[in-house]
Amino acid sequence: GAVVSQHPSRVICKSGTSVKIECRSLDFQATTMFWYRQFPKQSLMLMATSNEGSKATYEQGVEKDKFLINHASLTLSTLTVTSAHPEDSSFYICSARDQLAGRTDTQYFGPGTRLTVL
Amino acid sequence: AQSVTQLDSHVSVSEGTPVLLRCNYSSSYSPSLFWYVQHPNKGLQLLLKYTSAATLVKGINGFEAEFKKSETSFHLTKPSAHMSDAAEYFCVVSDEGTYKYIFGTGTRLKVLA
Repeated sequence: GAVVSQHPSRVICKSGTSVKIECRSLDFQATTMFWYRQFPKQSLMLMATSNEGSKATYEQGVEKDKFLINHASLTLSTLTVTSAHPEDSSFYICSARDQLAGRTDTQYFGPGTRLTVL
Repeated sequence: AQSVTQLDSHVSVSEGTPVLLRCNYSSSYSPSLFWYVQHPNKGLQLLLKYTSAATLVKGINGFEAEFKKSETSFHLTKPSAHMSDAAEYFCVVSDEGTYKYIFGTGTRLKVLA
C-alpha cells in the first residue's frame, strides 16, 4: 500500500514552453501533497505544500507564478513549470501524506520526474 | 526549530560487514524521525520510522535504528551489507503541525565487493 506515482518520469522541452507533472496517490487519500526539487548529489528542497481544494503554500524563494500547483482531488496534484528555462532543469519529486490515523506524518514519495530544458 | 545532522557524507563498507549511518537531531519535543533510501534517479523509499513507541525500530531490508534521547541520535544500522544497499540515505525529522519534512544532507553508502 501507500503508492505514489508520477508522470512523466522524464521530459525534455524547449525553453519557453510549459511542462505539467502529475502526482497521484494510488491507494490512499492525500489531502496534503508536497513538491520537492533535487539538484545532483544534493538533498531535497521543499518547494511547496499542496492542499486539496485550496491554494498551495510556497516556500520562501519559490516563484508561485512559475511553479503552478493544483490539487483538484484527494488523489491528484499537478505541478506546472511555466515558461521553462534551462535553469529549471532538475529532478522533481512529489510526496503524499497518508491521512489515516496513526500515519498522519509519514510521507510517501513518487519516483520523480527528470526535467531537461533545452 | 528542528534539524537533523548526518555526520558522514560518504560511507564505504565491504559486502557482508556491518553498516552504521549516523544521524543526530535537534527538537524541542518528542520528534517523529525517519530514514529513507534513494537509489539513483529514483524516488525515496521509507526504511523505517520512529514515533515515540519502541526506541529500537526495525525496518525493511534488515535495517534498524535506535532512538537515543540522551544522545539525540537516531543512527541507522544493518548487520551485513549487500551490494544492493548502495544508495543515498536520508535522515528526516517531521515538523509538528505542518508535517513538513526537514532533511539531512544525506549519506552516500558504497558497498565494496
